[in-house]
Parts: sequence; structure tokens; C-alpha cells
Amino acid sequence: DIQMTQSPSSLSASVGDRVTITCRASQGISHYLAWFQQKPGKAPKSLIYATSSLQSGVPSRFSGSGSGTDFTLTISSLQPEDFGTYYCQQYSSHPITFGQGTRLEIK
Amino acid sequence: QVQLVQSGAEVKKPGASVKVSCKASGYNFISYYMHWLRQAPGQGLEWMGVINPSGGSTTYAQKFQGRVTMTRDTSTTTVYMELTSLRSEDTAIYYCFSHYNWFDPWGQGTLVTVSS
Repeated sequence: DIQMTQSPSSLSASVGDRVTITCRASQGISHYLAWFQQKPGKAPKSLIYATSSLQSGVPSRFSGSGSGTDFTLTISSLQPEDFGTYYCQQYSSHPITFGQGTRLEIK
Repeated sequence: QVQLVQSGAEVKKPGASVKVSCKASGYNFISYYMHWLRQAPGQGLEWMGVINPSGGSTTYAQKFQGRVTMTRDTSTTTVYMELTSLRSEDTAIYYCFSHYNWFDPWGQGTLVTVSS
């Protein structure tokens, strides 16, 4: 199975800050990487697929980059509604695997 | 609109089985794979498997092989996930999600509690 490792596990940032979350795959996954946001008590929400393609309706302050084994999710200017837990997911091969999550708190 | 609606919460005893449904609407059901995953309390996301609604073929995570069965009913545009031999560690919220729009939409989740 492909292991996905996210860092940091948690972070606290202020409105307007630039935030970066990283995700590393245990082997190359090409561009088959997605990002999800989950808020308490809710289902995860798809943000980005194919490493850098933004889901419709997702604000442009979210962006993704990377390839192979190293990927990043960037929020260019943090907004109050961006709190929650963020997960990366590889879909290069089955089983689909997720990172352990990054909990983002707004200061 | 495009949506997935799951069945309601379940409480089961250890050793029992549970069958969760996920009804799709608003898109061509047979054209997009449907996945299942679960989330234990306070934990991350664990993928269980996927079903092709067109032919019914499935791929399961090895962890669940032999205990999980995913099926579909094309007449009602519903997929089902059955998990057998339940134990306390299976207490979790179970989600379905579609490939319709790149891992979107998702069902609202079904809480399955396993307790004696």
C-alpha cells in the first residue's frame, strides 16, 4: 500500500496568512493526488484533484502543486471559514489511501 | 441536483452484520464508480472499496476482504455496503462518494455503532 504522510499535523494561523500543507507519498504517484477539507460533523469536501485542478466552486485562494512523491496545498490568504481538517489522498493505485490529516485552526 | 443520500444510523451487537445504502440522484448512475470509506471517532479516513455500478465489479481493501460486500441496484440507483462479523472497532461513520465530479458528491454519512 502507498503511505501518505502529511505535515504538519496541526497548525494555527491568522486571517490573511499564507498557509502551506505538505503531503509525501511513499512511492511515486504521478499527479494522482487530491485534497479534501472536512469540518466537524460534516462529510469531507473535495477541493483539488489531479494535484492542481480546482473543484468548481472552490475559492481561488486554494492551490495545489507537486508531482511524484511530494505535494503541497497552499491557501494564499487564510479566511475564517477555512478552519477544519485537511486530507490528501492518492488514487494512483488501490487501495486508495489518505494522509493522517492536518488540523487548521484560525488564531 | 446531484446528491447521494445514505440510510440512517444503526446500532448493532458484536458479531452482527450491517447493510448501509447510498442512493444517487441527479446524474447518470451507471457511468461513475462509487467508493465507500469510514471514519472512526476522532480518526482519519479509511478507504474500504469501490464498485462499478455498470457491471457490479468490485475492488475491496485487503483489510476488509471477506467481511465486506458492495452491491448495486440500477433500478433504484442505489449502492449498498454490507459489513459482517462486526466488532467494536467497526464503530464509525461510513461514507459513500462518487467519481461523478472527481470524488464528489459525498453522502451525508451513516453512523454505525457496535456495542453489546
